[in-house]
Amino acid sequence: QKEVEQNSGPLSVPEGAIASLNCTYSDRGSQSFFWYRQYSGKSPELIMFIYSNGDKEDGRFTAQLNKASQYVSLLIRDSQPSDSATYLCAVEQGGSQGNLIFGKGTKLSVKP
Amino acid sequence: KAGVTQTPRYLIKTRGQQVTLSCSPISGHRSVSWYQQTPGQGLQFLFEYFSETQRNKGNFPGRFSGRQFSNSRSEMNVSTLELGDSALYLCASSLEGQGGSYNSPLHFGNGTRLTVT
Repeated sequence: QKEVEQNSGPLSVPEGAIASLNCTYSDRGSQSFFWYRQYSGKSPELIMFIYSNGDKEDGRFTAQLNKASQYVSLLIRDSQPSDSATYLCAVEQGGSQGNLIFGKGTKLSVKP
Repeated sequence: KAGVTQTPRYLIKTRGQQVTLSCSPISGHRSVSWYQQTPGQGLQFLFEYFSETQRNKGNFPGRFSGRQFSNSRSEMNVSTLELGDSALYLCASSLEGQGGSYNSPLHFGNGTRLTVT
């Protein structure tokens, strides 16, 4: 069974700090990796995707991918209370028409 | 551009009944996927439709079925409802496939919350 694992949290950080969210996956054939943010009572929204080893930055968000370790992370710099949400890691299964497998999410709380 | 639209937003059904949920994808998107979200299991993939054909299917019983119409709109049907079917059902659309490409990410609708009593 292919899996995506995340710490459920809650992860609590003070406003202005760096929040670090981690995700591991079991399918070595996976090529694409996504981070979704889900506010309470809302649907998931895509915030980052990454497909090459290394770092990818977009504003306050940085996604990091290490395929050898089967590890993907999301860093949120200068965390704001509005970043408080559940962050879902999603991994594409190997194959040209891959399915997305989601982790159960990490709940982030940014304290003012 | 309008987002993914799901109807209805809320449903209350009784065990044994059946239910049909509807999803209208973003204009131009040909792929529609369905997910079930519960607190215990998280987001679980149900199935994906592309150009009216089911292309991928998750590990759900045959009581869960779907279809896609020529205008890419999709419906999901659950027959013989069980208490455990209570969940948020999310529809997502993408240009090409079920999250299959970073060029074609999933865009989710607001979901239908189904309660089975």
